[in-house]
Amino acid sequence: AQSVTQPDIHITVSEGASLELRCNYSYGATPYLFWYVQSPGQGLQLLLKYFSGDTLVQGIKGFEAEFKRSQSSFNLRKPSVHWSDAAEYFCAVGDYHGSSNTGKLIFGQGTTLQVKP
Amino acid sequence: GAGVSQTPSNKVTEKGKYVELRCDPISGHTALYWYRQSLGQGPEFLIYFQGTGAADDSGLPNDRFFAVRPEGSVSTLKIQRTERGDSAVYLCASSLTAAGWQFFGPGTRLTVL
Repeated sequence: AQSVTQPDIHITVSEGASLELRCNYSYGATPYLFWYVQSPGQGLQLLLKYFSGDTLVQGIKGFEAEFKRSQSSFNLRKPSVHWSDAAEYFCAVGDYHGSSNTGKLIFGQGTTLQVKP
Repeated sequence: GAGVSQTPSNKVTEKGKYVELRCDPISGHTALYWYRQSLGQGPEFLIYFQGTGAADDSGLPNDRFFAVRPEGSVSTLKIQRTERGDSAVYLCASSLTAAGWQFFGPGTRLTVL
């Protein structure tokens, strides 16, 4: 079955430090992968996506993610975290294959990022 | 408007009541999705519309939940005989096509007392 696992429920980093949020997926075909960010009271905002091609993808707000097929991972990184990055981060896989081909998203449970001054 | 809008932003109801949640997608987007996000969880898929038809309703939890999109634009999620377990944030998303990336609305927070 398709699934997404975000092993870290809560992460705290100091402002200016580097960040890596982990994401592992289970999907029967080449996955379409996404990272979304959700600030309190806000809707989900797309940070970046991977469909094909270069396995290192750049997104908004200085984020990047690397697709590693051998590890079934799509980890999100940022070299220097800002206090405004504190939010909930969700990894998702899109269902674009098979008879349904609906594009529905299967989300992980999310990682809450806290940034210390 | 420029983005996906959802109304109301908050809805408090009593157990057993009927509620309707509305989603206005981005103009021209043919694909529309409903998700439900319980506290501390990621969003879970409910239903997908391509145009006016529900192409995939496999995520609806039971027959108390129903959604329509009669003119291929605005969609309404309807919940009958609400239960306390229905309390969650209901998110709507739209995309230009089923293969496009989804833009999410701010959600409707439903509380069933």
